[in-house]
Amino acid sequence: EADIYQTPRYLVIGTGKKITLECSQTMGHDKMYWYQQDPGMELHLIHYSYGVNSTEKGDLSSESTVSRIRTEHFPLTLESARPSHTSQYLCASRGSYNEQFFGPGTRLTVL
Amino acid sequence: GNSVTQMEGPVTLSEEAFLTINCTYTATGYPSLFWYVQYPGEGLQLLLKATKADDKGSNKGFEATYRKETTSFHLEKGSVQVSDSAVYFCALSDKDTGRRALTFGSGTRLQVQP
Repeated sequence: EADIYQTPRYLVIGTGKKITLECSQTMGHDKMYWYQQDPGMELHLIHYSYGVNSTEKGDLSSESTVSRIRTEHFPLTLESARPSHTSQYLCASRGSYNEQFFGPGTRLTVL
Repeated sequence: GNSVTQMEGPVTLSEEAFLTINCTYTATGYPSLFWYVQYPGEGLQLLLKATKADDKGSNKGFEATYRKETTSFHLEKGSVQVSDSAVYFCALSDKDTGRRALTFGSGTRLQVQP
């Protein structure tokens, strides 16, 4: 059983607010990822990290930023949320055989 | 670049019916292949995986075989249950780039009726 956690599970906020989505894992994995899942279910990579102090942007352009100060922690921040940011955000970490373990997701609604 | 194509849904079956969800891929080299399942309101759970050609992944009655010659990884189950209703994603992981991110298919929604 993978141990990867995301908080909050659901978030409804107004336009212009700054938010941070939390993601943490207890498996000691170096590589971590953030995916955005649109209502049509498709998943798009928006950020990834090779390890501490290493972050890169993914395939889908995103106004969010990430940081990786500790191996177990990979938070995602939106400085000024907009309705176009409404989506489901999924965090994952990579295991030994290229499989990825996912957290439960954060469903964000920006009004 | 890498891509994954899977059959469109929704797929609606009666309980105990046979399930096949088709998945084909395009990739350079020899990727690892995965099936993930997503239940309503939840994240993705790894269902099964295969890391090389002719490998068969299996879990909870689901199976998929890595077919290099047809670049396919079709998901099958002999007898579905109502509890199998979910969205299923086929995915590949590129081994040839450092980031090792997953490329997903568009997902197939399965609805199993009692």
